[in-house]
Amino acid sequence: DTEVTQTPKHLVMGMTNKKSLKCEQHMGHRAMYWYKQKAKKPPELMFVYSYEKLSINESVPSRFSPECPNSSLLNLHLHALQPEDSALYLCASRVIGEGDQPQHFGDGTRLSIL
Amino acid sequence: DAKTTQPPSMDCAEGRAANLPCNHSTISGNEYVYWYRQIHSQGPQYIIHGLKNNETNEMASLIITEDRKSSTLILPHATLRDTAVYYCIVRGPGSNSGYALNFGKGTSLLVTP
Repeated sequence: DTEVTQTPKHLVMGMTNKKSLKCEQHMGHRAMYWYKQKAKKPPELMFVYSYEKLSINESVPSRFSPECPNSSLLNLHLHALQPEDSALYLCASRVIGEGDQPQHFGDGTRLSIL
Repeated sequence: DAKTTQPPSMDCAEGRAANLPCNHSTISGNEYVYWYRQIHSQGPQYIIHGLKNNETNEMASLIITEDRKSSTLILPHATLRDTAVYYCIVRGPGSNSGYALNFGKGTSLLVTP
């Protein structure tokens, strides 16, 4: 069971499409993360949001556009993606403060680019 | 954050203890050792973390050597559902890193009947 919910679970899109991935948590976590995981590889950090503000962008191409409209929701807007962007996209959240706290992950959105 | 070294794969018989080693010889004094696992087609699952002392929770035990250069994750009675990739991650207080996790290649644990 996960308290971080990601939708959709699977997404197939063409290179000219625009789509969005959604991540939601209701644990009061004020840090939220996007990771990308290629097949048989470990997850890699894309973005970090802290108090709804983008704090880290790991040199991600602009065809990926994150958005954090409120403290419970994190979106990843996709536009003009390439076949090599096919991957599992993972969202995570973490409480800020209260000592060192772990991140909690959703089960991801599996994205396929045609 | 310090790098970690883990064996690429391990086997364990069901019902036996699984002991997963991790080397982090360049760890700094304020860096934590975190363990996550990822079961096929799921997101990473937090297991346990520690700084200096050994830690135990309902899932596992974490043994950190006195010099903190290595650690061992112990699953006391492995079941088939423990088959997964296990990641040992060293993470600093890192406000510059947003407390993000730098995943290595992990250890693929296979629990056999």
